[in-house]
Amino acid sequence: EAQVTQNPRYLITVTGKKLTVTCSQNMNHEYMSWYRQDPGLGLRQIYYSMNVEVTDKGDVPEGYKVSRKEKRNFPLILESPSPNQTSLYFCASRAHSSYEQYFGPGTRLTVT
Amino acid sequence: GDSVTQMEGPVTLSEEAFLTINCTYTATGYPSLFWYVQYPGEGLQLLLKATKADDKGSNKGFEATYRKETTSFHLEKGSVQVSDSAVYFCALRNTGNQFYFGTGTSLTVIP
Repeated sequence: EAQVTQNPRYLITVTGKKLTVTCSQNMNHEYMSWYRQDPGLGLRQIYYSMNVEVTDKGDVPEGYKVSRKEKRNFPLILESPSPNQTSLYFCASRAHSSYEQYFGPGTRLTVT
Repeated sequence: GDSVTQMEGPVTLSEEAFLTINCTYTATGYPSLFWYVQYPGEGLQLLLKATKADDKGSNKGFEATYRKETTSFHLEKGSVQVSDSAVYFCALRNTGNQFYFGTGTSLTVIP
């Protein structure tokens, strides 16, 4: 089954404790991206990657890091999380030749 | 910068009513336009798209037309069903491959 998976689905952590949210896709897609969803703000793009070892900042990259060492994986790293990063995070992927993005199920992060 | 503005919700309609959700955009160049749907507890799914001016995207009875002169991409459906209850997002992809989403419009259809 073609899918985008994210782990964990739910995470509660404390300020300053480094964390990683993993994202993996099994569709051999070149393009992957991370979004955060906040009430009244919709989805905002954090980072995206056009292919292995190629990453670019989206609209709200501050406080986040990403890496793309393998085509299927695109982890989101919060080196020092803060409460304003409490949000619902979505990973997405698509093929270069396609307009359709496939979204993961979301990761709800709470930083206290 | 580029942006998408869509009508505020929530929207509540009776089954078989006509639906319109307004969406306008600001972008340089010629963006591609999308409507996504999000059901409770799930990620977003592509509902329909249009890649150039005057294109009409359609799927599952929903339609939207890319109007460059009014920079709009309004979503319509002639007869909504209870199963259409969800949050709908208008989005654009600009020439730099960045995506911008609207704030979402929550739709509830009552029997």
